[in-house]
Amino acid sequence: DGGITQSPKYLFRKEGQNVTLSCEQNLNHDAMYWYRQDPGQGLRLIYYSQIVNDFQKGDIAEGYSVSREKKESFPLTVTSAQKNPTAFYLCASSPVGGANNQPQHFGDGTRLSIL
Amino acid sequence: QQPVQSPQAVILREGEDAVINCSSSKALYSVHWYRQKHGEAPVFLMILLKGGEQKGHEKISASFNEKKQQSSLYLTASQLSYSGTYFCGTAPRTGANNLFFGTGTRLTVIP
Repeated sequence: DGGITQSPKYLFRKEGQNVTLSCEQNLNHDAMYWYRQDPGQGLRLIYYSQIVNDFQKGDIAEGYSVSREKKESFPLTVTSAQKNPTAFYLCASSPVGGANNQPQHFGDGTRLSIL
Repeated sequence: QQPVQSPQAVILREGEDAVINCSSSKALYSVHWYRQKHGEAPVFLMILLKGGEQKGHEKISASFNEKKQQSSLYLTASQLSYSGTYFCGTAPRTGANNLFFGTGTRLTVIP
């Protein structure tokens, strides 16, 4: 079955440490997205990519970095510059055409906490 | 550009109806609706692409008033399985090619 796989499910970060969250999809979708979810704040866009080797910043990109070397993969690195990384991170993808007229399919998320 | 959802939370008994509203300050191309159960991924419900369009998913339907930049989600004869947080995502008519999500409406259906 096609879908989006995020790993790990739970992740702990030490002070000054960079951590990378994995997101893989086998839906053959062109567009991929990373969202951060905090209690009571809905989903906020961190980065998105509509094509391999290209990506754009979302509303809260500071302290995060991404890469899109393969169509199937869109890893997110939470750098030490992100001072408040504790949140639920969701990866999503959508077919060509972007977010406007295509549904987004979400992974099961990674819950990141500070040690 | 984040849309505003109302109410923030609602409690229903099985069989009752509810309406969730989503309002934007920007002209919209489309409105998306998702449901998220606690600790799980959001699940797509429907997209509304045209002003006045109405769509349905089981006993859940939605409308889109393009002129007012508003959408409403209607839950009819609610079931226990409808419990969760409902998010609207809005795509602006111009500008960024991504969605802006509201803060969600927590729906609880009790027996």
